[in-house]
Amino acid sequence: GAGVSQTPSNKVTEKGKYVELRCDPISGHTALYWYRQSLGQGPEFLIYFQGTGAADDSGLPNDRFFAVRPEGSVSTLKIQRTERGDSAMYLCASSLGQGETQYFGPGTRLLVL
Amino acid sequence: AQTVTQSQPEMSVQEAETVTLSCTYDTSESDYYLFWYKQPPSRQMILVIRQEAYKQQNATENRFSVNFQKAAKSFSLKISDSQLGDAAMYFCAYRSRFNKFYFGSGTKLNVKP
Repeated sequence: GAGVSQTPSNKVTEKGKYVELRCDPISGHTALYWYRQSLGQGPEFLIYFQGTGAADDSGLPNDRFFAVRPEGSVSTLKIQRTERGDSAMYLCASSLGQGETQYFGPGTRLLVL
Repeated sequence: AQTVTQSQPEMSVQEAETVTLSCTYDTSESDYYLFWYKQPPSRQMILVIRQEAYKQQNATENRFSVNFQKAAKSFSLKISDSQLGDAAMYFCAYRSRFNKFYFGSGTKLNVKP
């Protein structure tokens, strides 16, 4: 079966622009996670969805970051007024349920010029 | 807040030899899970092994095994009979009872033929 997919694989944008990053989880996985990974670092938790609702969004760095999962499947991470410091790899992972093994997508590499 | 520390930024091992990667963590929780993930260059992160904190027996998966010392808050990964395909970044991760994940900064493993 298909794994977690993320689009686009790479995104280059200019400072101040708005970007959307998409995550398609494995079919049937109710839990979905977003992470940010800077070069040479481990993934940093951003937000966790259980179904359609954000169960924990404490990792979102500020109000420029927002994520949705309206139908409990696909999720979109939205970043407003991008800054150069937002440049990183954004990883998505899904799991069958709370506490189950996470399966990661290939990530979206975001570069803010 | 929970923290995960990997004190070895980079390690090398000869093919067919054994290597141990270190990980320590800090928590006040008694119920949690620990993981080792592998991230090959430009490829997706995949689960190597997981350990439930309530289990005293160390987890093993083929050539991979852990040494879990709960009192010392230590969780090391041993790779036996190292293969060229084991070369990757290895991340130690902690999952809290609230289903939030914390990752270490990673250890880059080089395997020499």
